[in-house]
Amino acid sequence: SQQGEEDPQALSIQEGENATMNCSYKTSINNLQWYRQNSGRGLVHLILIRSNEREKHSGRLRVTLDTSKKSSSLLITASRAADTASYFCAPNAGGTSYGKLTFGQGTILTVHP
Amino acid sequence: GAGVSQSPSNKVTEKGKDVELRCDPISGHTALYWYRQRLGQGLEFLIYFQGNSAPDKSGLPSDRFSAERTGESVSTLTIQRTQQEDSAVYLCASSLVLAGNQETQYFGPGTRLLVL
Repeated sequence: SQQGEEDPQALSIQEGENATMNCSYKTSINNLQWYRQNSGRGLVHLILIRSNEREKHSGRLRVTLDTSKKSSSLLITASRAADTASYFCAPNAGGTSYGKLTFGQGTILTVHP
Repeated sequence: GAGVSQSPSNKVTEKGKDVELRCDPISGHTALYWYRQRLGQGLEFLIYFQGNSAPDKSGLPSDRFSAERTGESVSTLTIQRTQQEDSAVYLCASSLVLAGNQETQYFGPGTRLLVL
């Protein structure tokens, strides 16, 4: 398995603003997944983007994937205080890595009301 | 349908005691994973079960850790002779496996273990 590296480490914005988080990884992937974690518990799956996809939307979330640069970004539009959480990316090489997900330190997003 | 459930949600134990953590995956999910997350850290892979294949135990940190899974249902993670460094949140996840590829992993709420 490989670890995704999220950037920035922390992001502080006002409600209504957009938040962009980036993820870089090192080797080929089958898919890349983004997760959110509140208060150190409850990892929630947000979105999965496959290696043959370049962009995917889900509600206020937009994920892009650039396999040539081995990077992905997560955009949250019109942020809300409830979006305050840690966000992690998980590159999934599939195959013999058995889908083991290794998370980095994540991006801590704080949305101020 | 129901998500992944774990029990207990919190466990406080004394150093040296054994603990058993339980995970009920989503019905129909053949893949099951255990992870550990120390305070302020990312996820550390522990063990992976897929159908009837031999489990991938490569992430277990020591022989005090073991896990079992009954068919494609419940799994238990056992930590023997607990140490203070075992204190962490233990997370279980399950997923479908389609065409040999693991799909989205759905996580349970975790068991917060504190070893005194």
